[in-house]
Amino acid sequence: NAGVTQTPKFRILKIGQSMTLQCTQDMNHNYMYWYRQDPGMGLKLIYYSVGAGITDKGEVPNGYNVSRSTTEDFPLRLELAAPSQTSVYFCASSYSGLAGTGELFFGEGSRLTVL
Amino acid sequence: GDSVTQMEGPVTLSEEAFLTINCTYTATGYPSLFWYVQYPGEGLQLLLKATKADDKGSNKGFEATYRKETTSFHLEKGSVQVSDSAVYFCALSRNNAGNMLTFGGGTRLMVKP
Repeated sequence: NAGVTQTPKFRILKIGQSMTLQCTQDMNHNYMYWYRQDPGMGLKLIYYSVGAGITDKGEVPNGYNVSRSTTEDFPLRLELAAPSQTSVYFCASSYSGLAGTGELFFGEGSRLTVL
Repeated sequence: GDSVTQMEGPVTLSEEAFLTINCTYTATGYPSLFWYVQYPGEGLQLLLKATKADDKGSNKGFEATYRKETTSFHLEKGSVQVSDSAVYFCALSRNNAGNMLTFGGGTRLMVKP
């Protein structure tokens, strides 16, 4: 009954450090997404994937990288952390059969602070 | 580009009060519209949706009607409960193959007993 699992839930980074936010889903969904949410702002799409081996940029991809080697996992990499990347990050997944329905399944979020 | 605007919170109500959270959108074509809810400590989950003009989505006592003439999708509930305390997000989708959503900023609702 896990759904979408994100780790870590909280992390503090220093400027210039790198880290990976992990995301895994056990629903065999082929679509996966990374969103970020800044205070008072909507969620903005960073990257998405429509299947293993396929990734594409969303609205705000700069400073991030992703990979999708398996259906289950979709890690988000920050290479050189900057204060502008302080945010709450949400991973989500969807089944291609729900394409156009807008029904995404979300993880609980990862709160990242860059100092 | 597409955008969604919703009222800023927090919205604080007493139990059994009437709730309205306003949402308006800008998009070309005929998007689908959604309300997602995030309870404390949890991820977002779909609350209700409407896929064409004049459709009404409903779930758990919440309702929203797709108004194309006013480009709005306001969320309403006749009698809120303490358990409705959460953050509510309005969103739209272009019905694209990637199933991607454009979100509003979220509105925090606090219901007091």
